[in-house]
Amino acid sequence: DGGITQSPKYLFRKEGQNVTLSCEQNLNHDAMYWYRQDPGQGLRLIYYSQIVNDFQKGDIAEGYSVSREKKESFPLTVTSAQKNPTAFYLCASSDGYGYEQYFGPGTRLTVT
Amino acid sequence: RKEVEQDPGPFNVPEGATVAFNCTYSNSASQSFFWYRQDCRKEPKLLMSVYSSGNEDGRFTAQLNRASQYISLLIRDSKLSDSATYLCVVNSGAGSYQLTFGKGTKLSVIP
Repeated sequence: DGGITQSPKYLFRKEGQNVTLSCEQNLNHDAMYWYRQDPGQGLRLIYYSQIVNDFQKGDIAEGYSVSREKKESFPLTVTSAQKNPTAFYLCASSDGYGYEQYFGPGTRLTVT
Repeated sequence: RKEVEQDPGPFNVPEGATVAFNCTYSNSASQSFFWYRQDCRKEPKLLMSVYSSGNEDGRFTAQLNRASQYISLLIRDSKLSDSATYLCVVNSGAGSYQLTFGKGTKLSVIP
């Protein structure tokens, strides 16, 4: 089955620790994205990548980092510099610009 | 700031009712338009793309008015399973990979 997987589903960390969220897709999509969703809020773009070894900052990139070494994988690191990291993190992919995006099931990160 | 505006609701409707959601967008360069649905604590899922000529998928009809920068979604014969938050989504302009998401309109279909 083609799709996007994110792991883990729930993640708990102590303040001051970096944490990496996994995102893998087997849809053969070139573009991948990371969003953050807070309760009652819309999705906000963190980073996106149009192609392997290239990525751009979204609206709220501060305190986050990404890499795109393989077409299938786009991991997101939430660093200790991110002031309010507790949120629902969603990874998505698309076939190109202007196309619909398909989402993974998300990772709920709680930092205490 | 480029934005997508939606009535947050909630819309509480009885089973079998017809309900309409509206959405306005500010970026006149937007070229792709979508409706997604998001169930509670789940990921958004594509409901349908929206075309200039309007399009229908079963009980769902989407329309686009580029001149007014307005998108609508009509759901006929509402089912309990239609209860969800409906997100209006617009791409950020010609050649853009980015999509701008509205905050969503919550629908509750009541027995």
